[in-house]
Amino acid sequence: QKEVEQNSGPLSVPEGAIASLNCTYSDRGSQSFFWYRQYSGKSPELIMSIYSNGDKEDGRFTAQLNKASQYVSLLIRDSQPSDSATYLCAVNPGAGGTSYGKLTFGQGTILTVHP
Amino acid sequence: DAGVIQSPRHEVTEMGQEVTLRCKPISGHDYLFWYRQTMMRGLELLIYFNNNVPIDDSGMPEDRFSAKMPNASFSTLKIQPSEPRDSAVYFCASSALGSSGSRYNEQFFGPGTRLTVL
Repeated sequence: QKEVEQNSGPLSVPEGAIASLNCTYSDRGSQSFFWYRQYSGKSPELIMSIYSNGDKEDGRFTAQLNKASQYVSLLIRDSQPSDSATYLCAVNPGAGGTSYGKLTFGQGTILTVHP
Repeated sequence: DAGVIQSPRHEVTEMGQEVTLRCKPISGHDYLFWYRQTMMRGLELLIYFNNNVPIDDSGMPEDRFSAKMPNASFSTLKIQPSEPRDSAVYFCASSALGSSGSRYNEQFFGPGTRLTVL
């Protein structure tokens, strides 16, 4: 079982729709969770971080965390063609030992927003 | 503010040659990470440093890979000898995890070095 799993997609949504991206993780002790956006040929860009159960909103983005079910999701409202990218879920395995600074990344979900 | 700086941006070399990738983290960040990204394996952590000290190098594929951080503003990743299977994009990232008031391990990536080994 992979430590961080995402549907690879591609996920295709029409412009203006809500895009929903999901991620599950295996380590129950995980403390912090991140979503990165990566355009083709570019580096990952941090767009959301979440540390507590519930929702966190930032503009058109909402991150949702459910530690009991070990999943984290990203909702993109009013999707735009410029949102077309690969979205990477990243999880910090937890405090202590050599895991303290590490992030484990999922394989990424390719999102395409069509006009 | 300047972000993470990496050089070179592109490197093409022949099998058996030594390759050195360079990284300058964001000023004030105390953690530095080296990643490799391929289509097959995704984004993999190779090694990371805290306050210039290597903490976890379990992701380094083999002895041909080595990394150093001689000071807080510079790190290198060296491959010697290089092989075609080393072709990938290598990213450096930094975070201010240990700094007072910082968020948990928000990592910021450099633009990457695209390495091609012929």
